[in-house]
Amino acid sequence: KAGVTQTPRYLIKTRGQQVTLSCSPISGHRSVSWYQQTPGQGLQFLFEYFSETQRNKGNFPGRFSGRQFSNSRSEMNVSTLELGDSALYLCASSPALSTDTQYFGPGTRLTVL
Amino acid sequence: AQSVTQPDIHITVSEGASLELRCNYSYGATPYLFWYVQSPGQGLQLLLKYFSGDTLVQGIKGFEAEFKRSQSSFNLRKPSVHWSDAAEYFCAVQGGANNLFFGTGTRLTVIP
Repeated sequence: KAGVTQTPRYLIKTRGQQVTLSCSPISGHRSVSWYQQTPGQGLQFLFEYFSETQRNKGNFPGRFSGRQFSNSRSEMNVSTLELGDSALYLCASSPALSTDTQYFGPGTRLTVL
Repeated sequence: AQSVTQPDIHITVSEGASLELRCNYSYGATPYLFWYVQSPGQGLQLLLKYFSGDTLVQGIKGFEAEFKRSQSSFNLRKPSVHWSDAAEYFCAVQGGANNLFFGTGTRLTVIP
């Protein structure tokens, strides 16, 4: 099976812009989670989607949002970008249950100038 | 609240030497525990996981980890390190919902 894919791999934006990142889960997986990785804060959970519904949310401002489509592909959006949003954004997929293992994609490296 | 502590920020070992990376967790219920590895510029690869049962868990690439409830620990071990094992290692505990709480990571350097 193909792994989790994320596009684009690299992105450069300027402050105030918005950005959309895409994640395609492993075939058959219905849950998609997003994480932000920064040198200062480490790996932090953003949100999880299951069957097109946000099931869990981490402690991030409303500028961070996401959605999931009927084919389980997911997008996350960050509006009004700030310098501190520069990070590696990782997507993970799992079959469904909270007991399922999460498999990670390669990430999207976002740089905000 | 769930949390994970990896007390060693950076470890250096010689190739062929044994390795132990420490992980302590805080979680009220029976934890689901994971070790992931990340090479520079890459995503996270699952090494092994503990859900229940045998407290000694075998993973990929010759790694193993032992769950010790009394010590709230889930240390990762490898008997003989290879140069290709140089990477960053993350311990994680799964919360009640489907989200992972990660430690700050341990960077492993392997010297020839």
